[in-house]
Amino acid sequence: RKEVEQDPGPFNVPEGATVAFNCTYSNSASQSFFWYRQDCRKEPKLLMSVYSSGNEDGRFTAQLNRASQYISLLIRDSKLSDSATYLCAVRYTGRRALTFGSGTRLQVQP
Amino acid sequence: GAGVSQSPRYKVAKRGQDVALRCDPISGHVSLFWYQQALGQGPEFLTYFQNEAQLDKSGLPSDRFFAERPEGSVSTLKIQRTQQEDSAVYLCASSGDYQGAEGNTIYFGEGSWLTVV
Repeated sequence: RKEVEQDPGPFNVPEGATVAFNCTYSNSASQSFFWYRQDCRKEPKLLMSVYSSGNEDGRFTAQLNRASQYISLLIRDSKLSDSATYLCAVRYTGRRALTFGSGTRLQVQP
Repeated sequence: GAGVSQSPRYKVAKRGQDVALRCDPISGHVSLFWYQQALGQGPEFLTYFQNEAQLDKSGLPSDRFFAERPEGSVSTLKIQRTQQEDSAVYLCASSGDYQGAEGNTIYFGEGSWLTVV
């Protein structure tokens, strides 16, 4: 079982829809959490960090549930330009490197 | 440049050949990471440097993989006797000083696409 798991999708949604992804992690010594966005044949880019109290950045909302060991990303009012793969990443206590999930592919359709 | 720079961007190697992949991190970044990303998968950790010290190499898949960062800036990932299963994108990433908020952000280069034939 992978340490960080994501539904690979693809999630096909119409423009304007709200879509949510979950990511589960198995190591309870997880300290920091992130969502990265990766466009086709490009490098991952940080979308947002995930804070314990939840946080919002425009149309994007990230939440953390430590008890159930998952993080979520909600995208409201989807745009065509949101089409990408969304990677969740976890940093364990005492470790600098991030551990990534396999990514969830989102395709927003006109 | 302002970002993480990697070269070559694309490399085709014959099976058994040795390859060297270069990473030039963001200037002043202390931490440097190498990841391997296979098609349809997330990045898999290979190794981590803090300045010139290789503090974690737990992700290197075999002794054919070797990384160095001798002066604490540019890093090279070397793969000896390449195999077809080594075909992947090799991503380099860097981050700043751990103490500051900036230290939490890991920035990736565009990757070196390796195909072993």
